[in-house]
Amino acid sequence: AQTVTQSQPEMSVQEAETVTLSCTYDTSESDYYLFWYKQPPSRQMILVIRQEAYKQQNATENRFSVNFQKAAKSFSLKISDSQLGDAAMYFCAYSSGTYKYIFGTGTRLKVLA
Amino acid sequence: SAVISQKPSRDICQRGTSLTIQCQVDSQVTMMFWYRQQPGQSLTLIATANQGSEATYESGFVIDKFPISRPNLTFSTLTVSNMSPEDSSIYLCSVDLGAPYEQYFGPGTRLTVT
Repeated sequence: AQTVTQSQPEMSVQEAETVTLSCTYDTSESDYYLFWYKQPPSRQMILVIRQEAYKQQNATENRFSVNFQKAAKSFSLKISDSQLGDAAMYFCAYSSGTYKYIFGTGTRLKVLA
Repeated sequence: SAVISQKPSRDICQRGTSLTIQCQVDSQVTMMFWYRQQPGQSLTLIATANQGSEATYESGFVIDKFPISRPNLTFSTLTVSNMSPEDSSIYLCSVDLGAPYEQYFGPGTRLTVT
């Protein structure tokens, strides 16, 4: 069975600095999708970034980028130039290409002014 | 993307009662999903709701407890029946817009059962 592990329950970063959130997963599939979702306090969960496993190039979206290591089954999220609005719970998620998502337990990111 | 709304946004209910949560999408979608997020926890899929067919429930969730309706391609409801304090959670609906398998989430319904 597929699993997603986020080993950092909480992280802190100074405003304007860079932070990396870790995610590892386990699967026997060769083709799949990985996602990072952001859930601000009492607000809607939004998709931050998506990575297709067949693509070797790491996905980037403005200040957000991933380090996808397929062999190591690692999918970390790097947030550059952190802003106060980045404070949220971040969930890593896996999909084998079906509707079924498997979510990690989340990492709470605090941004310090 | 999709704009998804949920009603109510929050509610406090008494043990033994039922609550129906509505999910409205601004475009027609084939697949809608209902998740539960218990306090401080991750998201757990309750069921998948396709228009015109019975909902498909995940292990640990049953139709008698969480009946779902999907009358058309833009709307779904989830009922939490015979509630107990253990049902206190955030309930989220989401939609799948097809390839590339991205799900978009509603704002959630925060349910407290006393």
